[in-house]
Amino acid sequence: LAKTTQPISMDSYEGQEVNITCSHNNIATNDYITWYQQFPSQGPRFIIQGYKTKVTNEVASLFIPADRKSSTLSLPRVSLSDTAVYYCLVGDGMDSNYQLIWGAGTKLIIKP
Amino acid sequence: EAGVTQFPSHSVIEKGQTVTLRCDPISGHDNLYWYRRVMGKEIKFLLHFVKESKQDESGMPNNRFLAERTGGTYSTLKVQPAELEDSGVYFCASSVRYNTDTQYFGPGTRLTVL
Repeated sequence: LAKTTQPISMDSYEGQEVNITCSHNNIATNDYITWYQQFPSQGPRFIIQGYKTKVTNEVASLFIPADRKSSTLSLPRVSLSDTAVYYCLVGDGMDSNYQLIWGAGTKLIIKP
Repeated sequence: EAGVTQFPSHSVIEKGQTVTLRCDPISGHDNLYWYRRVMGKEIKFLLHFVKESKQDESGMPNNRFLAERTGGTYSTLKVQPAELEDSGVYFCASSVRYNTDTQYFGPGTRLTVL
């Protein structure tokens, strides 16, 4: 069974780049790695997903090494509004044994 | 396109009472998920429906929790009888496919058991 590991919490300051890494061994070989952002009192919302190498959108970048045993969410020039919990989501297994595995979440606090 | 909706947004009940939460997924989404976030903890998977069938209910904490999805549309999650430790925010999500493709989450129902 795949296992994910994320830092429990991180602090940073406005304007800095923040990188959050999720380690995930034995994930499904043909599945995306997805990251979600959750603000207090709201449901998680999709940020970015990728399969390998680097993906960038208007919100973040996602770096995935060739072995896909980890992924790093990169938030450029964070602001106070980026304070949230960030989850990685991976798939494990195949066919009837397939399961979605959520990371425990990283609480990111941005300070002025 | 309407998003995932949940009702009620907040419920306060006493220990031993029954509460039913409702989730309306995005139309056409066969996959529906229930999650729970207890104060200060990470989000926890409860169960997964494909249409009206329960595919995975390994996250359901005990037999006081009953989820249904009649007709493969909306879903209900009933807690009977409620205990103090059931307090938390219950989220519903839906998706087209069951993989790491985007799950669309509802706003959640905050359940407080006194």
